Amino acid sequence: EAGVVQSPRYKIIEKKQPVAFWCNPISGHNTLYWYLQNLGQGPELLIRYENEEAVDDSQLPKDRFSAERLKGVDSTLKIQPAELGDSAVYLCASSLGASGDTDTQYFGPGTRLTVL
Amino acid sequence: KNQVEQSPQSLIILEGKNCTLQCNYTVSPFSNLRWYKQDTGRGPVSLTIMTFSENTKSNGRYTATLDADTKQSSLHITASQLSDSASYICVVSASTGGGNKLTFGTGTQLKVEL
Repeated sequence: EAGVVQSPRYKIIEKKQPVAFWCNPISGHNTLYWYLQNLGQGPELLIRYENEEAVDDSQLPKDRFSAERLKGVDSTLKIQPAELGDSAVYLCASSLGASGDTDTQYFGPGTRLTVL
Repeated sequence: KNQVEQSPQSLIILEGKNCTLQCNYTVSPFSNLRWYKQDTGRGPVSLTIMTFSENTKSNGRYTATLDADTKQSSLHITASQLSDSASYICVVSASTGGGNKLTFGTGTQLKVEL
């Protein structure tokens, strides 16, 4: 079974440019998460989807970040314009149930973004 | 504020040796606690999950313990291997009206050497 797929794996852009990340969750998983992970830190939740509905986007900087999950499957996370401080790894995860108490989150390999 | 603190921040051990990683949390109301392993350049992978009533859980050479009274957990690795070199992240889930909220620790970076 394929795991969570993310692309690209690496992205280098200049500040003020836009960038987009793509995530394909495990087939059948209803819940999808986007996390930001800085070096030496744990992941921080940006947004959580249950099917196509964003149920928790309280930590998403909405002035420059946006996300969508059309048809409740794949998702994209966009930053426009990117700032130097956005350099980090962006992780996508999925889980089977909706806000399940013991549902395991399966993480993708992440996209490492470098903003110059 | 919900917090998860891990210690040590980093650890170097020789292959074959045992080690114990610590996790202290102030998360309420507690739902469950997970330990994840994150290899360099990869996403975290769940090792164990423990709910309030469980005080120990094993997964091969990994054994996690939970003391819900003192809000502490540990991850014990037995007979370490080079492949155990990774970051180990403690994640505590709190039950809220809008679903579970996860609080991630900053991880312990383990390096196993020959």
